[in-house]
Amino acid sequence: EPEVTQTPSHQVTQMGQEVILRCVPISNHLYFYWYRQILGQKVEFLVSFYNNEISEKSEIFDDQFSVERPDGSNFTLKIRSTKLEDSAMYFCASRDTLHYGYTFGSGTRLTVV
Amino acid sequence: GIQVEQSPPDLILQEGANSTLRCNFSDSVNNLQWFHQNPWGQLINLFYIPSGTKQNGRLSATTVATERYSLLYISSSQTTDSGVYFCAVEGSGYALNFGKGTSLLVTP
Repeated sequence: EPEVTQTPSHQVTQMGQEVILRCVPISNHLYFYWYRQILGQKVEFLVSFYNNEISEKSEIFDDQFSVERPDGSNFTLKIRSTKLEDSAMYFCASRDTLHYGYTFGSGTRLTVV
Repeated sequence: GIQVEQSPPDLILQEGANSTLRCNFSDSVNNLQWFHQNPWGQLINLFYIPSGTKQNGRLSATTVATERYSLLYISSSQTTDSGVYFCAVEGSGYALNFGKGTSLLVTP
């Protein structure tokens, strides 16, 4: 079964540093997403991406966040200047149409110290 | 956004028992999915079920869209079923809203 691949699985970074989380969506999918889950809390939507632009974003997705699809396969989430409260599990997801289910990656656990 | 409420919040079962998890949502939906989050944090897609009934082995799910609820049935539970079960819905905006989950522990 096709998978969404995320790297790294764990990342520890110092407060104020920039991090880039990487995702390889399923190859024929057109819609890409980032979600996050702070420890012990529910999964929250960050941003959706279609046709090389952001289609929707939440209040969480402020100016310190950005997304990019630098080539035909990768989809990245950049956090410019990390804060302690950015510590969370970050999930990438993709789907081929708006009328089908999402496939989630295994997540990147980000710890900001 | 759409409100999603899951019940019960916590559940402890003995191996072999059956259970029903419930998801209520506040508005009409285009998408409803059930996920299992395993102890490693991975979100495993169980069902894409905006309406109707589906079965996959010991798991089955039913969504009654007109009454705004979905049920996930786990039969003959195993210790590997432990984890958190999330219901997530998508309404007119194209983003999934997750419930707070049901934390399931299956004991030997």
